[in-house]
Amino acid sequence: GAGVSQTPSNKVTEKGKYVELRCDPISGHTALYWYRQSLGQGPEFLIYFQGTGAADDSGLPNDRFFAVRPEGSVSTLKIQRTERGDSAVYLCASSPDWKYEQYFGPGTRLTVT
Amino acid sequence: AQSVAQPEDQVNVAEGNPLTVKCTYSVSGNPYLFWYVQYPNRGLQFLLKYITGDNLVKGSYGFEAEFNKSQTSFHLKKPSALVSDSALYFCAVRDVSSNYQLIWGAGTKLIIKP
Repeated sequence: GAGVSQTPSNKVTEKGKYVELRCDPISGHTALYWYRQSLGQGPEFLIYFQGTGAADDSGLPNDRFFAVRPEGSVSTLKIQRTERGDSAVYLCASSPDWKYEQYFGPGTRLTVT
Repeated sequence: AQSVAQPEDQVNVAEGNPLTVKCTYSVSGNPYLFWYVQYPNRGLQFLLKYITGDNLVKGSYGFEAEFNKSQTSFHLKKPSALVSDSALYFCAVRDVSSNYQLIWGAGTKLIIKP
């Protein structure tokens, strides 16, 4: 079946602009996670959704970052007033439930110039 | 505090030789342990997991991992390495008694030389 998909695959934006990154999880997976990964490092947790609600948003670095999952399927990560330090690969993962392994999408490479 | 350590930044192995990628962890409760692999310019792929049961877990692509509770380790192994195994490997742990987050190691770059 279809895996986790993320769009766009690459996004270049200017400092100060607003961006939205989309994640389409595996059908039926109730758990959805956002991470960001810098080159040569492990994923950094951002937020976890169980269904429509954010069960854990403790990884969001500041209030410029926000994520939604209004219907319990597709999720959007929103970044306001982007900064050069936001440049990274943003990964989305889904899972049947939080106890199980996570399946990752290919990521969105965000570059803030 | 929960943590995962992958003590080797890079592991070099000759093709056909056995390989081991090390992982140790620290959690307060019972661990769920995972290994993931990341090929260049691709997303993370699940390899195997330990939740309960047999200490030796078998996964994808001929990999296996051994859970050792006394040494708090979960080393990844393969009897005979392939050049195509060259990639970045991540160990991750979840403390099921505390929260939902996966704690990730920094990753180990595995290089298999022909």
